[in-house]
Amino acid sequence: AQSVTQLDSQVPVFEEAPVELRCNYSSSVSVYLFWYVQYPNQGLQLLLKYLSGSTLVESINGFEAEFNKSQTSFHLRKPSVHISDTAEYFCATLRSGTYKYIFGTGTRLKVLA
Amino acid sequence: SQTIHQWPATLVQPVGSPLSLECTVEGTSNPNLYWYRQAAGRGLQLLFYSVGIGQISSEVPQNLSASRPQDRQFILSSKKLLLSDSGFYLCASSRGKEEKLFFGSGTQLSVL
Repeated sequence: AQSVTQLDSQVPVFEEAPVELRCNYSSSVSVYLFWYVQYPNQGLQLLLKYLSGSTLVESINGFEAEFNKSQTSFHLRKPSVHISDTAEYFCATLRSGTYKYIFGTGTRLKVLA
Repeated sequence: SQTIHQWPATLVQPVGSPLSLECTVEGTSNPNLYWYRQAAGRGLQLLFYSVGIGQISSEVPQNLSASRPQDRQFILSSKKLLLSDSGFYLCASSRGKEEKLFFGSGTQLSVL
């Protein structure tokens, strides 16, 4: 079955440093991929999504992710993080032929001053 | 855009007691509705989803049930809570395939 794997449970990084949060997917069919962010004690918010077309997708707050079919990856990157980026980030996929959104185990990003 | 109302924000219940968590959606009609449970280090586990009134799909066998009595109302229930039911419960909604999920602010359930 389709799934996504987030290998890093926690990623500490200093403010203004670049960051990459890894996500790998498993699927033999077309994939829809998403990144969601969760701030403490809140629900999740969509950060960006890939459905088709350009393999590089961007969010309004400086994050970007690249769909890489050969490496079955959809890593999230930001060239310079801010303290306010501290949150948990979830990679997700939509199981083909269904309405089921499947989430990874999450990566907790902690930005240090 | 859609707004998901979910309550209560926190709940402490004894083992064996019943549970009812309610979720209502504003800003759309005929949404797809979801209940997820979030446990530390385990991500979001899909519990139930619904594509219409009275239509409920269960993802994993468990001590919980869901109902959709109205188009924009989704209820998560249990007759007798277990310790393992503790967790952060999130209701979500989407308009259709490939569209983003809108999430409620969640309910932190502690079963003692």
